[in-house]
Amino acid sequence: GAVVSQHPSWVICKSGTSVKIECRSLDFQATTMFWYRQFPKQSLMLMATSNEGSKATYEQGVEKDKFLINHASLTLSTLTVTSAHPEDSSFYICSANSGLAGSDTQYFGPGTRLTVL
Amino acid sequence: KQEVTQIPAALSVPEGENLVLNCSFTDSAIYNLQWFRQDPGKGLTSLLLIQSSQREQTSGRLNASLDKSSGRSTLYIAASQPGDSATYLCAVRPRLGGAQKLVFGQGTRLTINP
Repeated sequence: GAVVSQHPSWVICKSGTSVKIECRSLDFQATTMFWYRQFPKQSLMLMATSNEGSKATYEQGVEKDKFLINHASLTLSTLTVTSAHPEDSSFYICSANSGLAGSDTQYFGPGTRLTVL
Repeated sequence: KQEVTQIPAALSVPEGENLVLNCSFTDSAIYNLQWFRQDPGKGLTSLLLIQSSQREQTSGRLNASLDKSSGRSTLYIAASQPGDSATYLCAVRPRLGGAQKLVFGQGTRLTINP
């Protein structure tokens, strides 16, 4: 089956620093990738939709200048949390879809736990 | 705006029992509905995907049903096992809004007691 990886799996950083999280589709090309955030014991909230070669589409209430998304290739999307603060501490999960006709399945990465001190 | 609700928030049952998890959504204009499993601190594993034109899907001990008109789905787990302990999330893909974004419920945290 399709595999999506994320790196790092966890990261601890100081307040004010920037953190980059990578999302890779390992055995398929992902025309679209999605970034979600999950707070403890809560559900996943979509942050943005990332399309290869174009600007990401952010959900309402998500600061695009704080959460920079780059989808430079068909197998890699990155999320950079700029000037991170403790309230940004969360579990960040990406998903990818191949974009093939009739393919509705999104494949999820294992997530990245971000802790901002 | 599509909203997805899952009841109960948590469920604890003895091993071997059959159980039902519930999911409801407010807007019936959906492409599909998916059930996922999430283990603590992990990503999501897709269990079943039901297209809007379908009524149910089965995989092993799992059966998911969809009643789009009433905005409800159920996930039936037969002969539960301790390894089934996890959080189960349902998500719908709305017809409106573009892309393939999913709207998730808050999940049901399931514990199967040996």
